[in-house]
Amino acid sequence: DSGVTQTPKHLITATGQRVTLRCSPRSGDLSVYWYQQSLDQGLQFLIQYYNGEERAKGNILERFSAQQFPDLHSELNLSSLELGDSALYFCASSVGDHTGELFFGEGSRLTVL
Amino acid sequence: GQNIDQPTEMTATEGAIVQINCTYQTSGFNGLFWYQQHAGEAPTFLSYNVLDGLEEKGRFSSFLSRSKGYSYLLLKELQMKDSASYLCAVSPGAGSYQLTFGKGTKLSVIP
Repeated sequence: DSGVTQTPKHLITATGQRVTLRCSPRSGDLSVYWYQQSLDQGLQFLIQYYNGEERAKGNILERFSAQQFPDLHSELNLSSLELGDSALYFCASSVGDHTGELFFGEGSRLTVL
Repeated sequence: GQNIDQPTEMTATEGAIVQINCTYQTSGFNGLFWYQQHAGEAPTFLSYNVLDGLEEKGRFSSFLSRSKGYSYLLLKELQMKDSASYLCAVSPGAGSYQLTFGKGTKLSVIP
């Protein structure tokens, strides 16, 4: 158990819909990262927050947004969903605001039908 | 840009030794990580190299050559539970806060 909690574990929805994925980092970790993992792709970095502020953006679509709240949990919002958005979405946390060892949650598996 | 290459799949026999290679081309470098990921599960940290040379941790060792943009993960005394994907990831360094991952090498350990 990494200490990072993600909900929901599984989510099935239809195209055009909107979903919210939630992540609670390890106790004491200030950085939260979101990654997308599709069947034919590696882990793709989406976005990072540190202590409530956006720190880095990767290959995140405009239809996606995220935020980190004062209690340090984070939410990833995915809207106008398309079939190609079906993937495993991982949240990871680390102590500092630069990369080091990342601790990953179990992931949220999103299926868009 | 960032480019990380590793073999897609490998097969090895229980009890044997296997080496998984990773080559990288990145705009900066602040360390190389190896993660293990069992199917449908979260990646877990295995090793970190920032200086050239070999880092040993039990049955797993990781090597780095910065001048060659090359790393390998060595797994000894393979066990069936080592069947998993092994992900090579690079930290690009100052000004960049995320890890760039390769697509992973799926290792199958056979009896």
